[in-house]
Amino acid sequence: DIVMTQSPDSLAVSLGERATINCKSSQSVLYSSNNKNYLAWYQQKPGQFPKLLIYWASTRESGVPDRFSGSGSGTDFTLTISGLQAEDVAVYYCQQYYSTPYSFGQGTKLEI
Amino acid sequence: EVQVAESGGGLVQPGWSLRLSCAASGFTFSNYWMHWVRQAPGKGLVWVSRINSDGSSTDYADSVKGRFTISRDNAKNTLYLQMNSLRAEDTAVYYCARPILGLSAFDIWGQGTMVTVSS
Repeated sequence: DIVMTQSPDSLAVSLGERATINCKSSQSVLYSSNNKNYLAWYQQKPGQFPKLLIYWASTRESGVPDRFSGSGSGTDFTLTISGLQAEDVAVYYCQQYYSTPYSFGQGTKLEI
Repeated sequence: EVQVAESGGGLVQPGWSLRLSCAASGFTFSNYWMHWVRQAPGKGLVWVSRINSDGSSTDYADSVKGRFTISRDNAKNTLYLQMNSLRAEDTAVYYCARPILGLSAFDIWGQGTMVTVSS
């Protein structure tokens, strides 16, 4: 099974600044046949269901602001939120969909 | 509008059974694999199970294998999760999730239904 580990567990960033969240998988989630990383990022606000932000490690879901960006390959990935806004306060999760059981990171709580 | 809506949660005693339902609308349900994801109170997201588009193939997390059964009725646009031999550690909000077509990244989630297992 693939274990996803996020860092840090929580972070506080000032409005307008940049937030960086890391995600590491216990084995590569890069599928060699299509050169795609099977990695997604979600945002979950209190009392709400998760919202898909990014898939294929760096493809933004429709409607997601361009201040959210994803990068990385293989086993190491990053979610970057540039120009932090108050509405970005949430818990962020990475998820691998390379193989079952699909797994999520433990979550990173982002505060202002 | 594309949406899914879970129902069937509640308070049950350890060892009891419960069946969750997920009603889908606004998209061609029979084209999509479907998933259940759960979240214990104050904890993170955990993938539970998936079923392919025609219901012929299923997968489960080890923690529920042999106790939970995922199924679907494409004529009713409904996904199910039959949960047997429930344990306290199954207490969670259960989400029905639709993936992006061809992927297993989830772009449509329901509001979730709470399952509490307690004596």
